[in-house]
Amino acid sequence: DVVMTQSPLSLPVTLGQPASISCRSSQSLVDSDGNTYLSWFQQRPGQSPRRLIYRVSNRDSGVPDRFSGSGSGTDFTLKISRVEAEDVGVYYCMQGTHWPRTFGQGTKVEIK
Amino acid sequence: EVQLVESGGGLVQPGGSLRLSCAASGFTFNIYWMLWVRQAPGKGLVWVSHIDTDGKITSYADSVRGRFTISRDNAKNTLYLQMDSLRAEDTAVYYCVRDSWGPDYWGQGTLVTVSP
Repeated sequence: DVVMTQSPLSLPVTLGQPASISCRSSQSLVDSDGNTYLSWFQQRPGQSPRRLIYRVSNRDSGVPDRFSGSGSGTDFTLKISRVEAEDVGVYYCMQGTHWPRTFGQGTKVEIK
Repeated sequence: EVQLVESGGGLVQPGGSLRLSCAASGFTFNIYWMLWVRQAPGKGLVWVSHIDTDGKITSYADSVRGRFTISRDNAKNTLYLQMDSLRAEDTAVYYCVRDSWGPDYWGQGTLVTVSP
């Protein structure tokens, strides 16, 4: 199975400051069709997960542009340019290239 | 508006069975792959199973293969998860999820508790 490793697992941030979460996969996530199926999800306390980013860097509709995704191959990053109070929650990466699909452990973002 | 509404969760004894349902609306159900993801209390997200548009291709996590069966009824816009031989470690919130370039829309989840 492809192991997805996120870091850090806990991320205290100051409001208005940037934040960055790393996600590394144990195998390349480039599919045979040329696409890289790496998604990012946000799960606010008590809510269902919400997708923020798909195929590495494509922002979903309604997602603020302070969220951005980047990376390639096995190394990926989610960045929040200026953290707001509503960004508190757990963030997960997930690969959709290999079976079984696998998630990272989650990164808890909290306000300092 | 895309809506996914799960039902069928509850308390069941080890070795028992449950069937989860997911009613989909607000999109053309029969052109999307669908999946189930679960989350044990206080833990992370775990992929459970996937199904293609017409139900002919399915895939399962090793932990549930042979015990769980995913299916769909496109005429009813409904996704199912038949869960047999349930174990304590299957206790989790089960989410129904649409697949569009990866999981996009998630239901609110239904809690399954396996306990004597």
